[in-house]
Amino acid sequence: DTEVTQTPKHLVMGMTNKKSLKCEQHMGHRAMYWYKQKAKKPPELMFVYSYEKLSINESVPSRFSPECPNSSLLNLHLHALQPEDSALYLCASSQDSSEGKAFFGQGTRLTVV
Amino acid sequence: LAKTTQPISMDSYEGQEVNITCSHNNIATNDYITWYQQFPSQGPRFIIQGYKTKVTNEVASLFIPADRKSSTLSLPRVSLSDTAVYYCLVVASGTYKYIFGTGTRLKVLA
Repeated sequence: DTEVTQTPKHLVMGMTNKKSLKCEQHMGHRAMYWYKQKAKKPPELMFVYSYEKLSINESVPSRFSPECPNSSLLNLHLHALQPEDSALYLCASSQDSSEGKAFFGQGTRLTVV
Repeated sequence: LAKTTQPISMDSYEGQEVNITCSHNNIATNDYITWYQQFPSQGPRFIIQGYKTKVTNEVASLFIPADRKSSTLSLPRVSLSDTAVYYCLVVASGTYKYIFGTGTRLKVLA
């Protein structure tokens, strides 16, 4: 199994809603990542968990809250988002640091209305 | 972190070999070079990774000169389905900071 699975594939939420994005991998990878990607732009790194501990937070606003319940799961909790937060949210995993080799999910297309 | 520079876009025809060059002048000794492919509305897909000289796999080759200040991704005999954005990343060994640059939009024409 070399897949990273993200749910849901699409999400529409209001600015006052609370929602969560989920990511799962069963490759035994110990690092997991969240990226945000706007149209025609490169993916932007948001958070990195290594061995279930948050190791990188790229100065992401607190309305985005990551969680790593176990080594296979990664969540991104969303609260009080703005329309400009609409984007494709990508999850990835890697076997430890792996010198840049990561496996990405298909992403969640988020629209904030 | 080493900054990468790639051409913004390239066009090619089916059946041709495509070479995309990435400049990374301030690459460090323990940095690796990794390339990804991304189709619209999909996550990036790992293509190839190298440290020096030449690496080849079933889909591409990666050429890295001795000074390691640049690298070239070579796609043999491209098809329409190779139309995508290609990203070059320079990542320090032992770190998790995978930063994507602007990428190269490759368009393959019939």
